[in-house]
Amino acid sequence: AQSVTQLGSHVSVSEGALVLLRCNYSSSVPPYLFWYVQYPNQGLQLLLKYTSAATLVKGINGFEAEFKKSETSFHLTKPSAHMSDAAEYFCAVRSNTGKLIFGQGTTLQVKP
Amino acid sequence: DGGITQSPKYLFRKEGQNVTLSCEQNLNHDAMYWYRQDPGQGLRLIYYSQIVNDFQKGDIAEGYSVSREKKESFPLTVTSAQKNPTAFYLCASSIGSGRTGSYEQYFGPGTRLTVT
Repeated sequence: AQSVTQLGSHVSVSEGALVLLRCNYSSSVPPYLFWYVQYPNQGLQLLLKYTSAATLVKGINGFEAEFKKSETSFHLTKPSAHMSDAAEYFCAVRSNTGKLIFGQGTTLQVKP
Repeated sequence: DGGITQSPKYLFRKEGQNVTLSCEQNLNHDAMYWYRQDPGQGLRLIYYSQIVNDFQKGDIAEGYSVSREKKESFPLTVTSAQKNPTAFYLCASSIGSGRTGSYEQYFGPGTRLTVT
């Protein structure tokens, strides 16, 4: 069965610093992986997705993620944090029945 | 502009009352989903529908009911049998839902339900 683990429920960075949000997955088949962002009291917005075309995936708002099969990881990064990046981030894997399985989420705080 | 609408944004009900949350999409997507979100628990799937007039239970379907009479609409009823209905409810859709294909889901803005 597929599963997702997001390491760290809260991450705090200074404005301009590197953002690294960790996601590890478990999947018995080549996975489809996603990162979503959620601002307070809003729905989820797709940041990027991995579909096996390329291991380094670029998304919106300057985010990117690298698929590492050997580490079963799909960590999300951004070189320089902006105050507007403060939000909750969810990693998800598509199950072999077609449903999305979400991690517990990581809240990103950006300090001025 | 294509998208998913959920109404209302905030909903207040008394305990013991049924309440229906609306979800409409104009993306021409076949599949639609309902999730419940509670602090620190991520998203949990309530019901999903892969095609009109068909739907399946998700992980936490007890106390909820749905219908899918039209492709663009997937209303969720929170019944009085749901023991802890206060939560943030999110509707989503995807172009398909088969075993292959990425089929990313697109989300509506959510409805925050408070039951007292």
